[in-house]
Amino acid sequence: DAGVIQSPRHEVTEMGQEVTLRCKPISGHDYLFWYRQTMMRGLELLIYFNNNVPIDDSGMPEDRFSAKMPNASFSTLKIQPSEPRDSAVYFCASSLMPTGELFFGEGSRLTVL
Amino acid sequence: QKEVEQNSGPLSVPEGAIASLNCTYSDRGSQSFFWYRQYSGKSPELIMFIYSNGDKEDGRFTAQLNKASQYVSLLIRDSQPSDSATYLCAGGHTGTASKLTFGTGTRLQVTL
Repeated sequence: DAGVIQSPRHEVTEMGQEVTLRCKPISGHDYLFWYRQTMMRGLELLIYFNNNVPIDDSGMPEDRFSAKMPNASFSTLKIQPSEPRDSAVYFCASSLMPTGELFFGEGSRLTVL
Repeated sequence: QKEVEQNSGPLSVPEGAIASLNCTYSDRGSQSFFWYRQYSGKSPELIMFIYSNGDKEDGRFTAQLNKASQYVSLLIRDSQPSDSATYLCAGGHTGTASKLTFGTGTRLQVTL
């Protein structure tokens, strides 16, 4: 079975531009998570969905960030406008049950100049 | 202060030795704990989880939990160079165990 698929793997953009990151979870997994990883702050949960419904978005840093999950096989994380401090690796993860056993995608490395 | 604290390392151990990775947490509501391994440039992968006080063994790995001391550890016996990675400790609450709080990780180097 394919794992969690993220795109793009790398994104370099200029400050002020819109960035959209995409994720396809493992088929059958009802939970989807967006994490951000930086050297200073480690892995931080941004938002998670259960059955396509956002459950907790308390980690979303500000209104510039938004996430959607229009169906069970697709989710997006959008940053508009992007800022240099948004530079990080963004991971999508999915799980079958709410047990903390997460399966991570390979991540999207974002650089905002 | 982060809710889950880890020494960033690097922790250097010779091949064949026992590596001991430690983690403390401040949220007494945390009930479940997870160890993820992350190779450089790769994504985290789950290697162990523990819910109850005491030890849990899986192959060369042993997770230890002491809720009274708010302390979690991971022991790796017979360390191999392939164990060189960053180890992330994470805690979750019962019922919302999916909402994990991660430490910043400890980098382990196993030397030949």
